[in-house]
Amino acid sequence: GEDVEQSLFLSVREGDSSVINCTYTDSSSTYLYWYKQEPGAGLQLLTYIFSNMDMKQDQRLTVLLNKKDKHLSLRIADTQTGDSAIYFCAERNNQGGKLIFGQGTELSVKP
Amino acid sequence: IAGITQAPTSQILAAGRRMTLRCTQDMRHNAMYWYRQDLGLGLRLIHYSNTAGTTGKGEVPDGYSVSRANTDDFPLTLASAVPSQTSVYFCASSETAQGGYTFGSGTRLTVV
Repeated sequence: GEDVEQSLFLSVREGDSSVINCTYTDSSSTYLYWYKQEPGAGLQLLTYIFSNMDMKQDQRLTVLLNKKDKHLSLRIADTQTGDSAIYFCAERNNQGGKLIFGQGTELSVKP
Repeated sequence: IAGITQAPTSQILAAGRRMTLRCTQDMRHNAMYWYRQDLGLGLRLIHYSNTAGTTGKGEVPDGYSVSRANTDDFPLTLASAVPSQTSVYFCASSETAQGGYTFGSGTRLTVV
């Protein structure tokens, strides 16, 4: 069945780059997403990538997709303390359109 | 209302009681979803509705029911709450194609 995996924790220093990784199993995924959840809040869509793209850049965010290995990554350049949050990877296939989420990666940014 | 509104924001509920979590959106999105979020498990889909008048079961539907009488509202009902239903519940909506979901702020439910 469909499955999305992420590591649970990542700690970086302010100003460094953060790379959050995700693997998925469904080869029919059409879109892949990154969401951010700040403490006590709902999920906010950060960015998404269509499955026929390899890379998407949006200001400090870079998404890389390796479709052959079913691997997705989110790179945050010049990480700030305000980037501390839980980041969820999600895939959307072409059957029903429901999103399947990973467990979330808690990013901790130390000053 | 802008986006998705969930109510209540938090609730402590005695086991065995019935509870309805409310979700309303004003974006005229066709599809709506209910997820529960538990530590280490991420978000798991409870029920969904692709359009008004239709509903479907997600990954963890047992103990929950939903209805979709109109486009805007998608209530989630716990018929007889149990402690394992203690969780944070998120409602979401989406247009049918790309763009991802819009999430509500969540309802924190504690069943004691």
